[in-house]
Amino acid sequence: EADIYQTPRYLVIGTGKKITLECSQTMGHDKMYWYQQDPGMELHLIHYSYGVNSTEKGDLSSESTVSRIRTEHFPLTLESARPSHTSQYLCASSEEGRGKSEQYFGPGTRLTVT
Amino acid sequence: GENVEQHPSTLSVQEGDSAVIKCTYSDSASNYFPWYKQELGKRPQLIIDIRSNVGEKKDQRIAVTLNKTAKHFSLHITETQPEDSAVYFCAASQRAAGNKLTFGGGTRVLVKP
Repeated sequence: EADIYQTPRYLVIGTGKKITLECSQTMGHDKMYWYQQDPGMELHLIHYSYGVNSTEKGDLSSESTVSRIRTEHFPLTLESARPSHTSQYLCASSEEGRGKSEQYFGPGTRLTVT
Repeated sequence: GENVEQHPSTLSVQEGDSAVIKCTYSDSASNYFPWYKQELGKRPQLIIDIRSNVGEKKDQRIAVTLNKTAKHFSLHITETQPEDSAVYFCAASQRAAGNKLTFGGGTRVLVKP
């Protein structure tokens, strides 16, 4: 079934650790996005990509980095986790084309940095 | 850049009543306005959207209206049911910006049985 997947779903990690949040989609979408969201609160765009080898920073300043080597894969990396990074991270994708603008979201990764 | 404001932040309604959520946007170039519903612990899902060449769109119990001149759009839910309880987000984007969405702050809707 075509979907967007995120792993891990939950992560508790100590300060200073390097972590990578995985996001994969099997829908063949060109565009992918990372959002940061405290539970039930506003979604803040932190990174986006319009295709392979294309990445841009979003509206919210973030100490994370992303890469887009394959169409279906858009991982997010934190080189040195801090308690301020504690939040939920949502990955999304959308299709390029006439009239197609819906963003499909993954289930999210809930990150806690101790 | 685009700025989207959403009101109210919380809304409590009796089952069967109507709920209205309002959003304003700042960039007159925005031309696509989706609404997402996020149930507790779940991912956001698109429930309805409207483009700038349309003033109103309806899908069963939900409808969205757009006033381009005033730069505001609204979500209307009629005959609310307990399963409508969720957080609702409005958003705005423009095709020239690659459909990058700017979200409002969200409205937590509680439908009381």
